[in-house]
Formats: sequence, C-alpha cells, structure tokens
Amino acid sequence: QVQLQESGPGLVKPSETLSLTCTVSGGSISSYYWSWIRQPPGKGLEWIGYIYYSGSTNYNPSLKSRVTISVDTSKNQFSLKLSSVTAADTAVYYCAREVEVVPAAPRWFDPWGQGTLVTVSS
Amino acid sequence: DIQMTQSPSSLSASVGDRVTITCRASQSISSYLNWYQQKPGKAPKLLIYAASSLQSGVPSRFSGSGSGTDFTLTISSLQPEDFATYYCQQSYSTPRSFGQGTKLEIK
Repeated sequence: QVQLQESGPGLVKPSETLSLTCTVSGGSISSYYWSWIRQPPGKGLEWIGYIYYSGSTNYNPSLKSRVTISVDTSKNQFSLKLSSVTAADTAVYYCAREVEVVPAAPRWFDPWGQGTLVTVSS
Repeated sequence: DIQMTQSPSSLSASVGDRVTITCRASQSISSYLNWYQQKPGKAPKLLIYAASSLQSGVPSRFSGSGSGTDFTLTISSLQPEDFATYYCQQSYSTPRSFGQGTKLEIK
C-alpha cells in the first residue's frame, strides 16, 4: 500500500527557510492531491496547503506569503518550503495524500507520513 | 474560512461505555466531514470519511453521522485501544480546517 515518509533538517534557525521532502512509495504520485499539515507540540492540526500532481497548488492564506509546495513526479516526491521561520513554526510536519474518488465529491487525508519534528531555534 | 468546533474538549469514560463526540461547522459543509484518531507520538489515522463511511480496516464500533453543520462520532463500546485524541476535519472548501480535538481518557 502507499506509504509516505518525510525527510529534512530537524533544526532551523530563525529567519531561515524550512525545507522538507515527502517521498511516496508503493504507488504513483499521479492523479492525487498531496498535502502538508503541521501540529505544534501539544496543539491541534493546521493544514498548510496541497499540490496536485500536475503542479497546481492551494495554500492556507495564513501562511501563503511564506509557503511554496512543489512536486517531482520523476522521483515520486513533493516538497515544502517555508520561509522566514520563527519559533511559532516549531511543529511536527506531516505529509498526507488527499483522496478524491469523484471530482467535486468529499475528500479525505489518507495515508499520512509518520511526521517529522522541526524546531526553530538559534 | 470554515471554523470547526468539537465538544467536549476532553472526556473520561470506561471500557465498554458508549461515547459520542460532536463537531459543528461554522457554515453548511454538506457531508464533507472526516474523523481521525491520533495516539501520542503517532500520525492521525482516518476513521470515518464523508461523514458516515467507515474506512477499511476500522472496527465497526466506530460510526459517524450528520450533515450540514452538525456531526457526531460514536464509539459503541469503548475498547482500551480507543483512548486517544479525535479530530474532525472539513473538506468542503479551502483552507482545510480541523476541530481542536477531543481527548478521550480512561476513567
């Protein structure tokens, strides 16, 4: 079955750019939406944005000015860049597939990666 | 943006109890509502999609209902492995949004 794995630095300095990659295995990245979701320690879940395999994106307006999500179909990977980070960006970052069975029908996140903790600190 | 509000925020219950968690959307979202279970240190796991469809492999003691703005997740007979945090999530529009979570604890 499809599995997702996040990778990237666990420590980022304030004002720098956070960069993470999600590798999809057991299936193709094509024909799905791929999301990034984060969870600050002890808090709830925040959707960051998604990318369709074709490259179209949709970002959370609260982060839009700092976020870039890209896809590399040849590597079955998609990536997150978050610029100008502060301590408030410290969180576990998850990648997830957003499933859409029929266009314009309900969608859901499944599966999820295991998550990776990114700490913003000097 | 659509706000999702869960109640209660925390709940104490015993093995064998029937438990209901409520999720309310700030506007109508039809049946575009999903439920997830998260255990400490783990990623969320999909339980229910499209308000009432049980994800493959999820025990039948879990069920979901509702449409429009009001939704419920019911666990018919709590098992020890069900003690976790539960989140609702809307997929009606972007930005996608989650409820604040309901922590289910052992009484």
